[in-house]
Amino acid sequence: QLQLRESGPGLVKPSETLSLTCSVSGDSLTRSNFYWHWIRQPPGKGLEWIGGIYYTGHTHYNPSLKSRLTISLETSKNQFSLNLASVTAADTAVYYCARPVGVIPGTLVTAFDSWGQGAMVTVSS
Amino acid sequence: EIVMTQSPATLSVSPGERATLSCRASQTVSTNLAWYQQKPGQAPSLLIYGASTRATGIPGRFTGSGSGTDFNLTISSLQPEDFAVYYCQQYNDWPPLTFGGGTKVEI
Repeated sequence: QLQLRESGPGLVKPSETLSLTCSVSGDSLTRSNFYWHWIRQPPGKGLEWIGGIYYTGHTHYNPSLKSRLTISLETSKNQFSLNLASVTAADTAVYYCARPVGVIPGTLVTAFDSWGQGAMVTVSS
Repeated sequence: EIVMTQSPATLSVSPGERATLSCRASQTVSTNLAWYQQKPGQAPSLLIYGASTRATGIPGRFTGSGSGTDFNLTISSLQPEDFAVYYCQQYNDWPPLTFGGGTKVEI
């Protein structure tokens, strides 16, 4: 059974770098046809897609975050990571890692049927 | 970027009633649209993808419809556990993947 688990500091100072790791069990990051994604949700607000990474290391980023964002793979540990630089209070959110449905014959379904439990990150001095 | 707009922001209904939630895309997304349910303190849960295909284990009272720019999620007879926030998401044209602002279904 697929499980995703986010881990990392719950408190980050303004202007510093937010770093989170998603540990995956029950599936392999190197399996084809999946991007592995990060999504966040500020308190009391809606969902924002952050970015995704393919098993080859190819990434897609939200243009609104691209200049500050790095998503990377550590395939030997079956993990992928998020680094968001120069954070402000606006980056305070619950951060989720997620895996999409994948390929249904004829269609790539990038809707998320597997989510981590979420990691709350607060940006504050 | 495709902007997703959900209405209403809040829907007040009684158990057993029918609820219809709307989602509009700023440009066509074909049928590449998903619906999620989120309860307090939990991650979102996928209900519908492909605009109308129920995800695994989702009961038949949840029905998705629409194509192009206009979509609906209908809950035929609201159960107590259905009171939650619902989000739509397009995956037709990305990056970025985009979500609607959500509809809260309350008693």
